[in-house]
Amino acid sequence: GENVEQHPSTLSVQEGDSAVIKCTYSDSASNYFPWYKQELGKGPQLIIDIRSNVGEKKDQRIAVTLNKTAKHFSLHITETQPEDSAVYFCAASIRDTGFQKLVFGTGTRLLVSP
Amino acid sequence: DGGITQSPKYLFRKEGQNVTLSCEQNLNHDAMYWYRQDPGQGLRLIYYSQIVNDFQKGDIAEGYSVSREKKESFPLTVTSAQKNPTAFYLCASSSWETQYFGPGTRLLVL
Repeated sequence: GENVEQHPSTLSVQEGDSAVIKCTYSDSASNYFPWYKQELGKGPQLIIDIRSNVGEKKDQRIAVTLNKTAKHFSLHITETQPEDSAVYFCAASIRDTGFQKLVFGTGTRLLVSP
Repeated sequence: DGGITQSPKYLFRKEGQNVTLSCEQNLNHDAMYWYRQDPGQGLRLIYYSQIVNDFQKGDIAEGYSVSREKKESFPLTVTSAQKNPTAFYLCASSSWETQYFGPGTRLLVL
């Protein structure tokens, strides 16, 4: 089955720096890759997603890149701010008996210091 | 205000007790999901439902049960057979591939 690996597990940056989180997936049939931000004690919130027919997608300070050949995708956050501190999860879609499900990475704890 | 609600926010279970976690959505989504989250791990799928009156086991269904009698509701019961129930439980719904999550329920064992 699909396996999603996420690195690093923790990431500390200074305010204003960039942060990059990387994920790899194993199932070449995966075609949808969302990223979620989870603040302490809350449910994950979708921040950006990308489909396999697109190589890059941007939304203000957040961007995601996808390399289908290498089966990896990355989240890029520029000009980081303290409120970006949270746990970030990547996910990849799998199709099971005609129904699309998500397999999640183990998360990256991002700490942005003022 | 559209969204997914979960209740209660905190739930305490005594040994041998069954407890039920509530999940309601007003997004008109067909599919609903239950995930378990443990520290340092990703989200693991417990059960999912594509339509009313139909549901399938996920990767860690043992010790859990669900029902889907209404489109808006997908309650999860943690049975006494689940020997390690302490975790953060998340409900989600989707209209196609994009899943949206509720605020979660933290289950603790007394």
